[in-house]
Amino acid sequence: EVQLVQSGAEVKKPGESLKISCKGSGYSFTSYWIGWVRQMPGKGLEWMGIIYPGDSDTRYSPSFQGQVTISADKSISTAYLQWSSLKASDTAMYYCARLVPGPAAPTWFDYWGQGTLVTVSS
Amino acid sequence: SYVLTQPPSVSVAPGQTARITCGGNNIGSKSVHWYQQKPGQAPVLVVYDDSDRPSGIPERFSGSNSGNTATLTISRVEAGDEADYYCQVWDSSSDHYVFGTGTKVTVL
Repeated sequence: EVQLVQSGAEVKKPGESLKISCKGSGYSFTSYWIGWVRQMPGKGLEWMGIIYPGDSDTRYSPSFQGQVTISADKSISTAYLQWSSLKASDTAMYYCARLVPGPAAPTWFDYWGQGTLVTVSS
Repeated sequence: SYVLTQPPSVSVAPGQTARITCGGNNIGSKSVHWYQQKPGQAPVLVVYDDSDRPSGIPERFSGSNSGNTATLTISRVEAGDEADYYCQVWDSSSDHYVFGTGTKVTVL
């Protein structure tokens, strides 16, 4: 059974750093892209970026380029999303999701993690 | 950047048909995927590649895509279909993934 299990909720202060995780199981972790999606309170889904754990090739949405870092450790089948200096506006639910390979590029997100709630408040 | 526009809300009586649109420039040339998100839960894929259903998704969920509009149709709506629905595409010109603005489906 394919599963993506994310790390638990976090409460941080502005300016602090944070790294959240997404552990895949039940499939070949290195053969599928993993994406990260933000959902701010009461708002819609926003694509942040993707990573291919096989070679750590990473792509970012222009809205998040330079704001976050996506990485992966294929030895433990885990992808990460990290911030070096959090802002209150980073308060949101963050989802990881697996991308299905397509003829030209990965296309849709077939399995999702349960989400990690990040709260940034002084 | 590519934009996908959905109506904010759709209301439907039980047993009737709900149609959720997703508008985008020449969206008919792209593959559209749809997700259902119930309150407090992660999104779930309900339609991929315009009109295919993952295993476990009822046949009541169907999709179509042509011209500038893609549509998710929910037939014989049930109370359990009440959720937010999002369309999504991969934009080849920018190599970016785009989600629609989301539609809240209310079952009357």
